Amino acid sequence: AQKVTQAQTEISVVEKEDVTLDCVYETRDTTYYLFWYKQPPSGELVFLIRRNSFDEQNEISGRYSWNFQKSTSSFNFTITASQVVDSAVYFCALSEGSQGNLIFGKGTKLSVKP
Amino acid sequence: ETGVTQTPRHLVMGMTNKKSLKCEQHLGHNAMYWYKQSAKKPLELMFVYNFKEQTENNSVPSRFSPECPNSSHLFLHLHTLQPEDSALYLCASSPSTYNEQFFGPGTRLTVL
Repeated sequence: AQKVTQAQTEISVVEKEDVTLDCVYETRDTTYYLFWYKQPPSGELVFLIRRNSFDEQNEISGRYSWNFQKSTSSFNFTITASQVVDSAVYFCALSEGSQGNLIFGKGTKLSVKP
Repeated sequence: ETGVTQTPRHLVMGMTNKKSLKCEQHLGHNAMYWYKQSAKKPLELMFVYNFKEQTENNSVPSRFSPECPNSSHLFLHLHTLQPEDSALYLCASSPSTYNEQFFGPGTRLTVL
């Protein structure tokens, strides 16, 4: 069965600290997609990244980076030099096949204090 | 207008009322989705429409009735709801069901 686990419920850091959000997934499929979304206090989910199961290359986008490791079924998200505007709930999600059925983790609430 | 819009943004209704949530996407996408986000559970997929055809109904009670008249519009008709249906209802769209989904701002529903 599909499952996404975000063990960290809440994280609090001080501005400019680096922070890593953990995501562990379970799936029986060999083809699947992993996602990260950000939900600021306004409520709208903002798409951050999509990876397919055949692409284990790590990705960097500005202060954001993602580490995908199939050996440990993890897709962790690191924010470098965090800023107050990074405060939000971050969701990791998994999709198998073609049905568009996104399975979300419970989310990690990140608070960045000035 | 850009992205995915949802109306109303807030809705308060009694258990005997009938109301509808509206979602509109201006992205030219072919797939649309309804999700429920409540304090007690993770984000839950409710319905998937692909090219106006419903392809997924995630065991949603019949008091929630979706409608997709075209690829740009999606409705969620509500009737005889329960207080536990109070939640944030999010609409999303994607080019196809393989792609990343783009979300609207949500409708905050309160059932009294």
